[in-house]
Amino acid sequence: AQSVTQLGSHVSVSEGALVLLRCNYSSSVPPYLFWYVQYPNQGLQLLLKYTTGATLVKGINGFEAEFKKSETSFHLTKPSAHMSDAAEYFCAVIRGGGSTLGRLYFGRGTQLTVWP
Amino acid sequence: DAGITQSPRYKITETGRQVTLMCHQTWSHSYMFWYRQDLGHGLRLIYYSAAADITDKGEVPDGYVVSRSKTENFPLTLESATRSQTSVYFCASSATTAEQFFGPGTRLTVL
Repeated sequence: AQSVTQLGSHVSVSEGALVLLRCNYSSSVPPYLFWYVQYPNQGLQLLLKYTTGATLVKGINGFEAEFKKSETSFHLTKPSAHMSDAAEYFCAVIRGGGSTLGRLYFGRGTQLTVWP
Repeated sequence: DAGITQSPRYKITETGRQVTLMCHQTWSHSYMFWYRQDLGHGLRLIYYSAAADITDKGEVPDGYVVSRSKTENFPLTLESATRSQTSVYFCASSATTAEQFFGPGTRLTVL
């Protein structure tokens, strides 16, 4: 069964517009949740993570995400897109949080395009 | 420089050849991972290791072999490369069961 579902393989926004990248997960126990960004020909860089505590987490480059247990979602947002945000974004989950060996399950990725 | 490195960055080989991809980290992280990235699949775990001499299979281990004799190194070997193993391979390491740090990747083409 798919652990992480990213809705929309491609998202396009205008510069200055709201960025919303959707992620839903499946886990029978409280998960750890992550968003990674990948720029062309580079590795993955952590944007933000949720483990425990505050459900609204802030990351680098003005991104934030909110863990909503009732909706099993962890959507990524940024109020105002910048051209440099164009990249591929991956949502990932460690099912069972710290009780597992840190096996990350990735979504299939969302390519973000930012138009001038 | 400290961090996680992979070599080679690019590799072209032929079907049936043995290929080894290297991964080295300088943080002394206990956990190390190998993923492959393919269009439409995201990243899929091949093998992982919780410590030196401890390895285990991930989602897609067939055709791959790993070893971990030293904490800092985690080589991935394709014993007899196939075209379906053409992919981008990422190594990652982690000090805990949470955040993973990724290397720059190795782009492998099997002809």
